[in-house]
Amino acid sequence: QVQLQQWGAGLLKPSETLSLTCAVYGGSFSGYYWSWIRQPPGKGLEWIGEINHSGSTNYNPSLKSRVTISVDTSKNQFSLKLSSVTAADTAVYYCARGHLTNRYYYDSSGLHYYYYMDVWGKGTTVTVSS
Amino acid sequence: EIVMTQSPATLSVSPGERATLSCRASQSVSSNLAWYQQKPGQAPRLLIYGASTRATGIPARFSGSGSGTEFTLTISSLQSEDFAVYYCQQYNNWPPRTFGQGTKVEIK
Repeated sequence: QVQLQQWGAGLLKPSETLSLTCAVYGGSFSGYYWSWIRQPPGKGLEWIGEINHSGSTNYNPSLKSRVTISVDTSKNQFSLKLSSVTAADTAVYYCARGHLTNRYYYDSSGLHYYYYMDVWGKGTTVTVSS
Repeated sequence: EIVMTQSPATLSVSPGERATLSCRASQSVSSNLAWYQQKPGQAPRLLIYGASTRATGIPARFSGSGSGTEFTLTISSLQSEDFAVYYCQQYNNWPPRTFGQGTKVEIK
């Protein structure tokens, strides 16, 4: 059974860089997309971005200038970096697996699969405070 | 960006009763819609994908319907463990992948 285990610093000061890692255990790493999602206290879910095993990424335009998602296929891990954090970045951060459907499309940036998120990590609470 | 709007924000239901949750997309998302359940202090759990297909291990009392811009999640007979927050999410157009703001199902 696939499990996602995530870790990273839980307390940051404004302007620092958030760094989280998610490891995949018990299942294949390739053939899926891997996402980061966050949830501010008492609020809903916000998708941050995604990566596949080849390193192809997509980011939420609202965060794109500050986000980097990377992958280490040798360790079955993917990571999130969010720079210049503020109190507004205080949230629970989740990693999740994107389960590909049989639908896809091509564009100038390559092949894109439709997917839903079927396995989630337990979440990491990140607080930004001076 | 596709905006997902869920209604109502809070639904008060007695155990054993039916609960009907709605999700509306600002433009068509075809059937590329998922529903998630989230309990306090837990990660979301996938319930439904493809608008109507139950995920592995999800009880038959959960059902999804709709396509295009209007979707419904129905819980046929609420059990105590079903009181939670439910989110819809579209995966038809991205970035970004977007969620509704959630519907809280509480005990009446």
